[in-house]
Amino acid sequence: AQSVTQLDSQVPVFEEAPVELRCNYSSSVSVYLFWYVQYPNQGLQLLLKYLSGSTLVKGINGFEAEFNKSQTSFHLRKPSVHISDTAEYFCAVRRSQGNLIFGKGTKLSVKP
Amino acid sequence: NAGVTQTPKFQVLKTGQSMTLQCAQDMNHNSMYWYRQDPGMGLRLIYYSASEGTTDKGEVPNGYNVSRLNKREFSLRLESAAPSQTSVYFCASSLSVRDTIYFGEGSWLTVV
Repeated sequence: AQSVTQLDSQVPVFEEAPVELRCNYSSSVSVYLFWYVQYPNQGLQLLLKYLSGSTLVKGINGFEAEFNKSQTSFHLRKPSVHISDTAEYFCAVRRSQGNLIFGKGTKLSVKP
Repeated sequence: NAGVTQTPKFQVLKTGQSMTLQCAQDMNHNSMYWYRQDPGMGLRLIYYSASEGTTDKGEVPNGYNVSRLNKREFSLRLESAAPSQTSVYFCASSLSVRDTIYFGEGSWLTVV
């Protein structure tokens, strides 16, 4: 069965500092991996996705993620965060049926 | 540019009451989904419809029913609401089971 583990429930960071949000997955088959962002009281917005090809994936708002098959990881990174990046971030893996399995989320809090 | 539209946005129910959450998408997508979001649990799939005319159970289907009314609309019904169904509900859609999933803004449901 596929599953997703987000290793940190909360990540506090100062503005302009780099950040990494960690995600590990388990799957016995080819994976499609996603990061979504949820701003307060809003729906989920796709940040980036890995389907195949280059293991370094660039997304919106300056975020990027690296697919590491040997470590079964898909960590999200940003070299310099802004206050506006404060949100909850969800890692997800896509099942063969098409629906997503989500991690429990990481709350990123950017402090001035 | 509506995307995925859910109604109502907020609802308070008494235990035992019934209600239907409505969802419509205007992107001509084939696949539609209902998720619930609870604090610290991420998003969990309730039901999904891979294509018009089909519906399947997700991770947490108990206490819910769905109807894929047509290609645009996918409703979620609570026949006898329970406090454990207090949650934020998200409808989502994708062109196919292999394409990006787009989310609605969410429906906040409280059962007292």
